Amino acid sequence: NAGVTQTPKFQVLKTGQSMTLQCAQDMNHNSMYWYRQDPGMGLRLIYYSASEGTTDKGEVPNGYNVSRLNKREFSLRLESAAPSQTSVYFCASTRGWGLETDTQYFGPGTRLTVL
Amino acid sequence: KQEVTQIPAALSVPEGENLVLNCSFTDSAIYNLQWFRQDPGKGLTSLLLIQSSQREQTSGRLNASLDKSSGRSTLYIAASQPGDSATYLCAVRPNTGGFKTIFGAGTRLFVKA
Repeated sequence: NAGVTQTPKFQVLKTGQSMTLQCAQDMNHNSMYWYRQDPGMGLRLIYYSASEGTTDKGEVPNGYNVSRLNKREFSLRLESAAPSQTSVYFCASTRGWGLETDTQYFGPGTRLTVL
Repeated sequence: KQEVTQIPAALSVPEGENLVLNCSFTDSAIYNLQWFRQDPGKGLTSLLLIQSSQREQTSGRLNASLDKSSGRSTLYIAASQPGDSATYLCAVRPNTGGFKTIFGAGTRLFVKA
């Protein structure tokens, strides 16, 4: 079991460039999430997918789009990168939706710098 | 609006000391509270999850408590070791207002050998 995997691990973009962050989980989880982590601010939810075929906005969705490609994969796209999107991006998954016992499992993160 | 606060932001202790990390939250309507560990440049690893109906959870040298009425949780680490050095984050999962998990900014712990 690899758990939650993310690619790439590092990326440098110029302002206005686009890119897609990839995430996959092999735990047969139903729900998947994208967070960003900025210094001193904790993690903030960008988008989530409660189940295959559904996606919803989180706390900070502006400038991002997502695709739940299938049950395993959930991608995050930056259409026109801005310096304010410089951050560490984490993908996570949980077994279900709204379950009291649900533990979140995190990927290793993607460190993105936008110049 | 749910807010999660962790105090202190950083802590340095000598090896062997017992220590307590604090987490407070503003809204008691939660499904659960989870403590995570994050090593530098790495992702988050779940340490303990406390359901809203529970008061505490234990795993090895770690014990986490939850007092929903006062909006507080503590993570107790017994006999600290240099390998415990990391950032510890708490997160609450509200049961109202749609799904999101609210994270604290973390406490950075350094255990000196």
